[in-house]
Amino acid sequence: DQQVKQNSPSLSVQEGRISILNCDYTNSMFDYFLWYKKYPAEGPTFLISISSIKDKNEDGRFTVFLNKSAKHLSLHIVPSQPGDSAVYFCAASAPYTGRRALTFGSGTRLQVQP
Amino acid sequence: NAGVTQTPKFQVLKTGQSMTLQCAQDMNHEYMSWYRQDPGMGLRLIHYSVGAGITDQGEVPNGYNVSRSTTEDFPLRLLSAAPSQTSVYFCASSSRSQAEAFFGQGTRLTVV
Repeated sequence: DQQVKQNSPSLSVQEGRISILNCDYTNSMFDYFLWYKKYPAEGPTFLISISSIKDKNEDGRFTVFLNKSAKHLSLHIVPSQPGDSAVYFCAASAPYTGRRALTFGSGTRLQVQP
Repeated sequence: NAGVTQTPKFQVLKTGQSMTLQCAQDMNHEYMSWYRQDPGMGLRLIHYSVGAGITDQGEVPNGYNVSRSTTEDFPLRLLSAAPSQTSVYFCASSSRSQAEAFFGQGTRLTVV
């Protein structure tokens, strides 16, 4: 049973518009959430994270929102750029793993059209 | 700065062969881990280590062995390769104080 779910395998948006990527989780022990970006033939690279004590974290064009009651988080990219085209993975960690293990979603492929 | 280095980048094995995927990091990170990525399933944790001499199993450990004799290196051994182990393998490292893991570029393994 997947503990972290990304239900949209793909998303296409126009350059300059907002991209919203969604992620749901089932394990209430998760208290730290991360987004990774992955280009083909490369490893995932860390993008942004959020602790469960916050409901929003912003870094430039990227903002992550966390709704703990709904066990839902989202990544907003504004404005979207063609270079943002990649696969985005949501990941979560729990304190009982000592932060040494991440549980990943299946990824959403974002395509930003020029 | 190298970060996390994985070798080889590509490998084809015959069923039953054994091999070792190499992983090295130069960031003095305490934690290292191995993930596999399969289509539609994201990354799944195989084994991890919290320091030299200490390893533990992740979500999908069967068919794999690891050891951690130094802080820098964390090799992954396939004992007897099976077609089900065809995947892309990623090594990652992180420090004790942060959950953000740094990943290598991956090893694409095909078992025929």
